[in-house]
Amino acid sequence: DADVTQTPRNRITKTGKRIMLECSQTKGHDRMYWYRQDPGLGLRLIYYSFDVKDINKGEISDGYSVSRQAQAKFSLSLESAIPNQTALYFCATSDLTQAGGAETQYFGPGTRLLVL
Amino acid sequence: GDSVTQMEGPVTLSEEAFLTINCTYTATGYPSLFWYVQYPGEGLQLLLKATKADDKGSNKGFEATYRKETTSFHLEKGSVQVSDSAVYFCALSFNAGKSTFGDGTTLTVKP
Repeated sequence: DADVTQTPRNRITKTGKRIMLECSQTKGHDRMYWYRQDPGLGLRLIYYSFDVKDINKGEISDGYSVSRQAQAKFSLSLESAIPNQTALYFCATSDLTQAGGAETQYFGPGTRLLVL
Repeated sequence: GDSVTQMEGPVTLSEEAFLTINCTYTATGYPSLFWYVQYPGEGLQLLLKATKADDKGSNKGFEATYRKETTSFHLEKGSVQVSDSAVYFCALSFNAGKSTFGDGTTLTVKP
């Protein structure tokens, strides 16, 4: 079974709708992240959480919100979706206790979102 | 702020050709450096990493050396295969910090 799972894998929605993307992990990591990927723009960080009580904005948080329901779950919400939020969304986890402090990130398979 | 600059793609090579994908970074201090690979339809996965200057990371025939003097971490492979076709991301991170990714370089290997 995958260590980091995302649901749904694909979603089509209409402008103005509220949607939630969910992420679950079985790695036992405290740190979780949400990114979006757009062609030619690489990965951009939306929100991140270093533990259940810690939520931080990334570089492109406007129009998004998150909820860290438990160590294993980190959800991303689009309160009122707009077409320029069409993108591939990735959840990731990491663990600071890795040897040497080199904080490898572990990614889910991604959610492809289309906003019409 | 911290940043990572990767060689622009796409890169197209024939099977068994030599691969270099350039990566340079800007950061205050000495971060850990990473290469991630994204195969079609999948999330990113770690390919290799290096945590200090002159360290060499290696995996699956790929190598990269942490060069502090040139702030670089170029990815190389001596003989690419069709199965190496993917998007490659260079990244950096500091202890107790989040990662910064480059824009990615798409590699296509033709038989």
